[in-house]
Amino acid sequence: GAGVSQSPSNKVTEKGKDVELRCDPISGHTALYWYRQRLGQGLEFLIYFQGNSAPDKSGLPSDRFSAERTGESVSTLTIQRTQQEDSAVYLCASSLTGFYGYTFGSGTRLTVV
Amino acid sequence: GENVEQHPSTLSVQEGDSAVIKCTYSDSASNYFPWYKQELGKRPQLIIDIRSNVGEKKDQRIAVTLNKTAKHFSLHITETQPEDSAVYFCAASRGNTGKLIFGQGTTLQVKP
Repeated sequence: GAGVSQSPSNKVTEKGKDVELRCDPISGHTALYWYRQRLGQGLEFLIYFQGNSAPDKSGLPSDRFSAERTGESVSTLTIQRTQQEDSAVYLCASSLTGFYGYTFGSGTRLTVV
Repeated sequence: GENVEQHPSTLSVQEGDSAVIKCTYSDSASNYFPWYKQELGKRPQLIIDIRSNVGEKKDQRIAVTLNKTAKHFSLHITETQPEDSAVYFCAASRGNTGKLIFGQGTTLQVKP
């Protein structure tokens, strides 16, 4: 596609429910990243994919968070048993090789009530 | 651990003045330093980046300088315009994974 596409753009969920966030990277981009941005804060790294393997998962905050990627295509970030502190914008980015030049998606704004 | 400190957190300038935002990083293995601009409610967009083999890079009204010895880098915007108003983020990475460590952001306001 022309850009990185994320869905849904907004998600409101009740505390304790599971949510799935989707990212469609730019076609041909081998590297894919998930970041979290809390209100008024910088971006926190969550996980990095090279192809469908995840060499770096060091940013996932707890075992409630998981992510997978199909080949060099779509990725889903799953948050189980959501908590209010999970409320944030979840941003996905992709790049051709993984070294330089990210392109970010527009993000999913998650609100846990 | 890896950390990037960014200052100031807010910056207000008059249209036409220059703006400077500074970042320091802790990981001496960092070798790639991008800057992102994020307008309200929008995605971060790369505006300029620098690699560790150069000390300065310019692109029209924007420049970035890097001091590897001191582990700091700065964004310089000259002849600021109201449309430069946004949140600016610096970041650093080792380059071999692309994992970026971001600063906390600077809210730049350019007053007409």
